[in-house]
Amino acid sequence: EIVLTQSPGTLSLSPGERATLSCRASQSVSSSYLAWYQQKPGQAPRLLIYGASSRATGIPDRFSGSGSGTDFTLTISRLEPEDFAVYYCQQYGSSPQTFGQGTRLEIK
Amino acid sequence: QVQLQESGPGLVKPSQTLSLTCTVSGGSISSGDYYWSWIRQPPGKGLEWIGYIYYSGSTYYNPSLKSRVTISVDTSKNQFSLKLSSVTAADTAVYYCARNPIGTSCYKLWGQGTLVTVSS
Repeated sequence: EIVLTQSPGTLSLSPGERATLSCRASQSVSSSYLAWYQQKPGQAPRLLIYGASSRATGIPDRFSGSGSGTDFTLTISRLEPEDFAVYYCQQYGSSPQTFGQGTRLEIK
Repeated sequence: QVQLQESGPGLVKPSQTLSLTCTVSGGSISSGDYYWSWIRQPPGKGLEWIGYIYYSGSTYYNPSLKSRVTISVDTSKNQFSLKLSSVTAADTAVYYCARNPIGTSCYKLWGQGTLVTVSS
């Protein structure tokens, strides 16, 4: 199965700053079937990005995804207070689909 | 709008079978456009896909859990269910039901999740 490694484990930033989160796959992710989710305490994950770079419906344009093959990035251009949460990447190009271990984005 | 709601016991004894149901409201599980999935998350940890089912009954399971998992569907009740046998403490987790469109396995619609604790 494809192992996804997210870095950093924790990212400490201030509102208004730019956040760059990384997701590296142990094998190439076919057809860029890579998604990003945001999860806040006590809530289900929320889909942000699918197909590596397509924003899900209703997701603000400060969220963007990029990458292909084994290296993917989620960028939040200007952090809002509500963006501080845990972020997961998921590959769904190979079975079984797998998730990364998460990056915690915390307020500095 | 479509909503998902998990239900079932919050406490299961070791070696027993965990049973959960997801009720779909606001739409039909038989629409044919979606797979219906189970995903779990141990406390403080990441997400693990368990498996999914199509309304016809076709199933797809994570190989790591396949020997212990059964997912079934009841179209008359607009529900799908999860059974996980021979549970241990390692199966303690929040269990989510979710929906993914045919042809992709990313999840826009999730239930709120239910915590199942395995303990004697």
